[in-house]
Amino acid sequence: AQTVTQSQPEMSVQEAETVTLSCTYDTSESDYYLFWYKQPPSRQMILVIRQEAYKQQNATENRFSVNFQKAAKSFSLKISDSQLGDAAMYFCAYRKTSYDKVIFGPGTSLSVIP
Amino acid sequence: NAGVTQTPKFRVLKTGQSMTLLCAQDMNHEYMYWYRQDPGMGLRLIHYSVGEGTTAKGEVPDGYNVSRLKKQNFLLGLESAAPSQTSVYFCASSYSILSGGQETQYFGPGTRLLVL
Repeated sequence: AQTVTQSQPEMSVQEAETVTLSCTYDTSESDYYLFWYKQPPSRQMILVIRQEAYKQQNATENRFSVNFQKAAKSFSLKISDSQLGDAAMYFCAYRKTSYDKVIFGPGTSLSVIP
Repeated sequence: NAGVTQTPKFRVLKTGQSMTLLCAQDMNHEYMYWYRQDPGMGLRLIHYSVGEGTTAKGEVPDGYNVSRLKKQNFLLGLESAAPSQTSVYFCASSYSILSGGQETQYFGPGTRLLVL
């Protein structure tokens, strides 16, 4: 069975600095999708970035980028120029391409210090 | 577009009571999902639906039932609520892979349920 692990329950970063959130996953599949979701205090789940496993190029979305290491089954999220609005729970998630179940990690709570 | 909406936003139940959570989406998505979120455990899939009239069990289906009578609505029912069902419930929807849609799930704002 697939699993997603986030080893950092809590992280903090100074405003304008860079922070990296870790995620590892376990799968025997070769094709799959990986996601980072953000959940602010409003509880709405917001997609931050997604990565297709067949693409070697790391996905980027403005200040958010990932370091996808397929062989190591690692999928870290880097947030550059951190802003106060980045404070939230961040969930790493995995989905096989053959069906739509998404497996979520336990989450990392990110605090941004002014 | 309202996206994915959930009703109610918050509810308190006594043990043994029943209730239905409603999820609605206006994006014409084929797939819909119900998750529960508990501290330190991320989101766990309860049930999901790949189309109108079809449902399937997820990771933690016990104690819940679902129905998808209309494509835009996905109902989650608790027949006899238990304190262990105290949680935040999220609905999500997505396009079908088979229809060439995206892999992304769109989430509702959540329903907070407290069972006493």
